[in-house]
Order: sequence, then C-alpha cells, then structure tokens
Amino acid sequence: ELKVEQNPLFLSMQEGKNYTIYCNYSTTSDRLYWYRQDPGKSLESLFVLLSNGAVKQEGRLMASLDTKARLSTLHITAAVHDLSATYFCAVDTKGGGADGLTFGKGTHLIIQP
Amino acid sequence: DAGITQSPRHKVTETGTPVTLRCHQTENHRYMYWYRQDPGHGLRLIHYSYGVKDTDKGEVSDGYSVSRSKTEDFLLTLESATSSQTSVYFCAISSAVETQYFGPGTRLLVL
Repeated sequence: ELKVEQNPLFLSMQEGKNYTIYCNYSTTSDRLYWYRQDPGKSLESLFVLLSNGAVKQEGRLMASLDTKARLSTLHITAAVHDLSATYFCAVDTKGGGADGLTFGKGTHLIIQP
Repeated sequence: DAGITQSPRHKVTETGTPVTLRCHQTENHRYMYWYRQDPGHGLRLIHYSYGVKDTDKGEVSDGYSVSRSKTEDFLLTLESATSSQTSVYFCAISSAVETQYFGPGTRLLVL
C-alpha cells in the first residue's frame, strides 16, 4: 500500500524567512504533484515533477524530486503572507499517470508579518 | 481554470437516503476521479474512470458507486447515505499527460 507522508503538518513562520516542506512516499514513483488549497476552496495545481532530479520554480516556491530517496521538497523563499495555505503532495497510486493520486495529509502553513 | 463543475455544491440529507453527485467537464479529458476530503486524512480516492463506461475502485470505495455514460459526466452515488459519508467531495479530471485539475467541491452533510 502506497503511503505518502508530509512534514511538518503545521508550520507557522515569519515573513521573509525560508523553509522547506518534505514529502516522503513508500513505493517507486516517477511522478509527484504539489497542490495548494486555500480555506474553503478547491485544490490548485502548483507543480508536476516527472523524473528523478526534476526541479521546478514558480515565484517564491521551488519543488524538487529525488526518486531514489522517494523524497520531494517544497522550498519557500522569503515567505510572504499570501503564501499562507495548506500544501499537499500527491503521488500516482499505480505509477501510470492516469490512475488516482494518493495524497499526504497536507501542511498547514501560516505566515505571519 | 479547467472547465469542471460540480452539482450540487451543498447538500444536506438524512441517513438512509440515496444521493447522487454530478461532475461535468468541458475539457474532453479521458480520465475523471472522485475524492473525498476529511480533516486529518487529506484527500482519498473513491472511484475513477478511464473512459466511458470504464471505472475502477479507489481506496475508499465501499458505500459508493459511479457511472460514466458520457465523456463529460461522471456521477457518484451514495446508495444509502450514512453519517460517515459526511465530507467534502471533489471531482478531478486529467488527460494523463499533465496534472489533475480539481472541481470546486460539494459539501455533503448526512444527518
């Protein structure tokens, strides 16, 4: 059974600081997703990482994937309040790209002035 | 935004009644999914479809059935709703080449 673990599950940080969210998964997969969810809203796709060593950046967010370590990271640089949200990582349950996703429990991020 | 709508957006029902949730897409994507989101669990896959009339079970499929008679519509049915099915239900679509896009969600309360 595929397990996806995120840590931390809750993070409170100050504006301007850097931090990293970690996502570990238990079986081989070459495709990992990061989503953002604001309270009461749907999920917004941030990144899709498709191969070992993949790195993607959008604004203050950068995601990377190490398939050998079964680890993905989401790095936040110089955090701003607008980045406050819950962040989820997810992995293809069967590795085919068309099957459902297995999600981590999410990291609730609060960025304070 | 991907063209995904869900109906109803909110529903209150009583234990034992049947409930059907609808997901409609205008993107002509082959793959469609139903997830539920509960505090402390993240999102969990209920059922998914890889084409018209082709569906498969996900992690938490007990008590749910699905149907897909047209590419654009994916229905989720709770045959006899229970309080444990109180949740937020999200539909998602995918072309399998890129990410999954999520609909706005349906909040279901089973009393």
